[in-house]
Amino acid sequence: DVKVTQSSRYLVKRTGEKVFLECVQDMDHENMFWYRQDPGLGLRLIYFSYDVKMKEKGDIPEGYSVSREKKERFSLILESASTNQTSMYLCASSRSFGIDLNTIYFGEGSWLTVV
Amino acid sequence: AQSVTQLGSHVSVSEGALVLLRCNYSSSVPPYLFWYVQYPNQGLQLLLKYTSAATLVKGINGFEAEFKKSETSFHLTKPSAHMSDAAEYFCAVGNTGRRALTFGSGTRLQVQP
Repeated sequence: DVKVTQSSRYLVKRTGEKVFLECVQDMDHENMFWYRQDPGLGLRLIYFSYDVKMKEKGDIPEGYSVSREKKERFSLILESASTNQTSMYLCASSRSFGIDLNTIYFGEGSWLTVV
Repeated sequence: AQSVTQLGSHVSVSEGALVLLRCNYSSSVPPYLFWYVQYPNQGLQLLLKYTSAATLVKGINGFEAEFKKSETSFHLTKPSAHMSDAAEYFCAVGNTGRRALTFGSGTRLQVQP
């Protein structure tokens, strides 16, 4: 089974802090994603990566950056956390070819509260 | 461009009743369509997917969905609801030219005893 692991399930950070959310997948997937989930808005794509050191902006990249130094690891960075970034963050991964290109596997999520 | 609309943010059914969760999509190219389920405090699990083979797709836990191109719909059904089906359900659309899925806003299913 695909395993996508998010290192922190629950975090509380102060406004202005730099925040790192870490994600690791064990299936050698090329694609990795960060989504944000908010009530009534569903999942919105922040950034994704299709290879080491490669990234593309999603629908809501403002206030976020990402890092992918190794294939299995994808980090989401909040340079200066703000209260409107309080949310559930979901990491995901997928293969890079064929029908499975679009089948995405998710981690359990990281609940971030910014106070 | 692609988008998903899920009609009804909350659906409540009685145990044993039919479950129907509605999803309409928009896509400029042939779509792949997905239903994911999220149990409380967990990530999303794949329930089923449509990838241009059979239009009636069967998934886990007795769920199925039918792709109707003329109606641009991919509604999720289950003949008889169980208490354990209570969760949030997300419809999503993708295609071969795009690596990321676009998700709907979700439907929370309540199952009453």
